[in-house]
Amino acid sequence: GQSLEQPSEVTAVEGAIVQINCTYQTSGFYGLSWYQQHDGGAPTFLSYNGLDGLEETGRFSSFLSRSDSYGYLLLQELQMKDSASYFCAVRENRDDKIIFGKGTRLHILP
Amino acid sequence: DVKVTQSSRYLVKRTGEKVFLECVQDMDHENMFWYRQDPGLGLRLIYFSYDVKMKEKGDIPEGYSVSREKKERFSLILESASTNQTSMYLCASSPPGTGQSYGYTFGSGTRLTVV
Repeated sequence: GQSLEQPSEVTAVEGAIVQINCTYQTSGFYGLSWYQQHDGGAPTFLSYNGLDGLEETGRFSSFLSRSDSYGYLLLQELQMKDSASYFCAVRENRDDKIIFGKGTRLHILP
Repeated sequence: DVKVTQSSRYLVKRTGEKVFLECVQDMDHENMFWYRQDPGLGLRLIYFSYDVKMKEKGDIPEGYSVSREKKERFSLILESASTNQTSMYLCASSPPGTGQSYGYTFGSGTRLTVV
């Protein structure tokens, strides 16, 4: 069956760096993406990795290793507004449907 | 500003009622999706559609149906609401083919309570 595993909660300090890991087990793989969701808000798209390596967008970076079925989201210079839930998501086949992980709640301490 | 709009933010319905959740997007996207989100379970796909009048079942379609008569509108229907359908319902859309790389655009969600 399909599964995406990510930690349920992570805590970090303002100004620090935090990494949120995601491992996946799916029948196929066409890319890994990350979404952010603040309490009461809609998920918003952060990043996408179709190939191995690191993608950087400002303070956020995302990494993929297809051989390890593993990726991570790296958040640098943490700000209080980064307190949110973060979801990894996998595109399993050629259609545009994606499967979401259960989410990681990021707590940031001042 | 491109948008996915869900008609209701909060909804309370009685058990056995027929419930319609409406979603409209103004981005001319072919793909539209309905998810439900529950604590500890993440987002689970109910139904999706790649074109007008077409629909595909997601992972948890039981108790739901959908309608897509126009490209911009995708409706989720609870034929006979039950208390276990109390949840946050999220609609999303994406362009075809590149939907993963550009991501889904989500609506703000409808929090449905069935009593």
